Amino acid sequence: EAQVTQNPRYLITVTGKKLTVTCSQNMNHEYMSWYRQDPGLGLRQIYYSMNVEVTDKGDVPEGYKVSRKEKRNFPLILESPSPNQTSLYFCASSSGAGLFYGYTFGSGTRLTVV
Amino acid sequence: TQLLEQSPQFLSIQEGENLTVYCNSSSVFSSLQWYRQEPGEGPVLLVTVVTGGEVKKLKRLTFQFGDARKDSSLHITAAQPGDTGLYLCAGGGADGLTFGKGTHLIIQP
Repeated sequence: EAQVTQNPRYLITVTGKKLTVTCSQNMNHEYMSWYRQDPGLGLRQIYYSMNVEVTDKGDVPEGYKVSRKEKRNFPLILESPSPNQTSLYFCASSSGAGLFYGYTFGSGTRLTVV
Repeated sequence: TQLLEQSPQFLSIQEGENLTVYCNSSSVFSSLQWYRQEPGEGPVLLVTVVTGGEVKKLKRLTFQFGDARKDSSLHITAAQPGDTGLYLCAGGGADGLTFGKGTHLIIQP
């Protein structure tokens, strides 16, 4: 089954403790992206990657890092999480940047930073 | 960043009624997509529209892209409880998709 897999689904952590949210897709998609979803603010893009070793900032990149060493994986790294990073995070992949190709989203990771 | 405004924000109607939700922008988009999101899950693509004036139908759902490619609408005929969810429009660009804040739709039996 074609899918985007995120782990973990739920995570509660403390301020400053480094964490990684993993994302993997099995569709051989070149484009991958991370979004966060917050009430009243909608989905906002954090980082995206056009292909292996090519990443770029989205609209809200502060406090996050990403890497794209393999085509299928696109982990999101929070080096020093803070409470304002409490959010619902989604990874997505696509055949292209989104001009004409739909995104396939993961099921989300609900992160709470205390 | 291009902005997409969706209206209404919330809509609660009875089963069997018709409804239309709107997605508007001051910017021109190369394409526009509609997604549906259920609680606890990621958005799922419904349709992509590319050409100004384009109309696409998906069973009881009708999607229209404005002639100037700045706006779009989603019309649902004879709404059913299974249509309940968050409907998101998204504009396509070189960097990726820009999403509207969505319309929360509740269809009451």
